[in-house]
Amino acid sequence: DAVLTQSPLSLPVTLGQSASISCRSSQSLITSDGNTLLAWFHQRPGQSPRRLIDLVSKGDSGVPDRFSGSGSGTDFTLKISRVEAEDVGLYYCMQYTHWPHTFGQGTKLEIK
Amino acid sequence: QLVGSGGGLVQPGESLRLSCAGSGFTFNKYWMNWVRQAPGKGLEWVANINPDATTRRFVDSVKGRFTVSRDNAKNSLYLQMNRLTVEDTAVYYCLAWGDGAYWGQGMLVTVSS
Repeated sequence: DAVLTQSPLSLPVTLGQSASISCRSSQSLITSDGNTLLAWFHQRPGQSPRRLIDLVSKGDSGVPDRFSGSGSGTDFTLKISRVEAEDVGLYYCMQYTHWPHTFGQGTKLEIK
Repeated sequence: QLVGSGGGLVQPGESLRLSCAGSGFTFNKYWMNWVRQAPGKGLEWVANINPDATTRRFVDSVKGRFTVSRDNAKNSLYLQMNRLTVEDTAVYYCLAWGDGAYWGQGMLVTVSS
């Protein structure tokens, strides 16, 4: 299985500051046709997850442009600019290049 | 967008069927998935099925016990779970994956004697 390792696992951030989460895969996530199937999700306590980013850097409809994704191969980053109170919760990376699809362990963002 | 039903408390070895009804998107164009989250744990992909139901995949821990099906005429997705164990205790989400990603509200399945 492709193991995704996120860091940090806990991320205290001051309101208005930026935050970055790293996601590293044990295998390349590049498919045979050149796509990279890596997505990011946000989950607030007691709620279903919400996809923020697909295909490494493509923001989902309705997602603020404060959220951006980057990376390639095995190394990926989610950046949140100007953190707001509503951004608290868990963030997960997920790969669907390989079966089974797998998630990172989750990074808990909290406000300092 | 996705409304699930069917969760509950069962004993080890028993069966349970989860359902998920979609609306507001073109159901028959989407891969449909089941993802679960054990109490206090992260997310685990359980199974998926392609738009025309010709491909179904399962994580190793549920192979041979769980089946996934869909009825595109009813915009519905199902997960039949047999021979349940305590390790299957989790909140189960249905997830439609395509241009958008739509999640159900989560259904708690508790397997306990």
